[in-house]
Amino acid sequence: GDSVTQMEGPVTLSEEAFLTINCTYTATGYPSLFWYVQYPGEGLQLLLKATKADDKGSNKGFEATYRKETTSFHLEKGSVQVSDSAVYFCVVRNRDDKIIFGKGTRLHILP
Amino acid sequence: DSGVTQTPKHLITATGQRVTLRCSPRSGDLSVYWYQQSLDQGLQFLIQYYNGEERAKGNILERFSAQQFPDLHSELNLSSLELGDSALYFCASSVGRGDRYEQYFGPGTRLTVT
Repeated sequence: GDSVTQMEGPVTLSEEAFLTINCTYTATGYPSLFWYVQYPGEGLQLLLKATKADDKGSNKGFEATYRKETTSFHLEKGSVQVSDSAVYFCVVRNRDDKIIFGKGTRLHILP
Repeated sequence: DSGVTQTPKHLITATGQRVTLRCSPRSGDLSVYWYQQSLDQGLQFLIQYYNGEERAKGNILERFSAQQFPDLHSELNLSSLELGDSALYFCASSVGRGDRYEQYFGPGTRLTVT
């Protein structure tokens, strides 16, 4: 079945460091890809998305590019802030509208 | 505040019991989604309704059922509860039924089965 694999956390970085959280997926056809963020004690929020190959989603300094050839959707940010501390989920929505979540990566940013 | 409301916030019940979780979507949203977040299974998509009709189904157990009412609120019914059903249950809503419509998540209902 369809699946999402994202790097295990926790990831701890210093403020202003470069961030990469890897995500790869298995899905037939051309799924849509998402990154969601969950701040402590809150529900999920959409961070960014891409719906076709080579699309780049971006928001709040975060970026991810839909790579069909490597079935990847890695999340990057050039300079992280303490306020970026949260859990990040890579998500696939397949052609049957079934939604599959990665296990989440907890990010800690140190001042 | 996403505009999605869920009641109750917390629920403690015993194994074998049945509970109902309620979700009110944002004004104007026609789609409602239900998710389960647990330590064991992570986040799982359960089911989606669009304008009263079931639209997509995920890993929803047969003991669980949901419906969306004419006023667009939705209920998730969990029966014959087991310890492993203890989790945070989120609902989300969106204007449309496809992936180009952003989902807005409620604060969740924390279910504890003892």
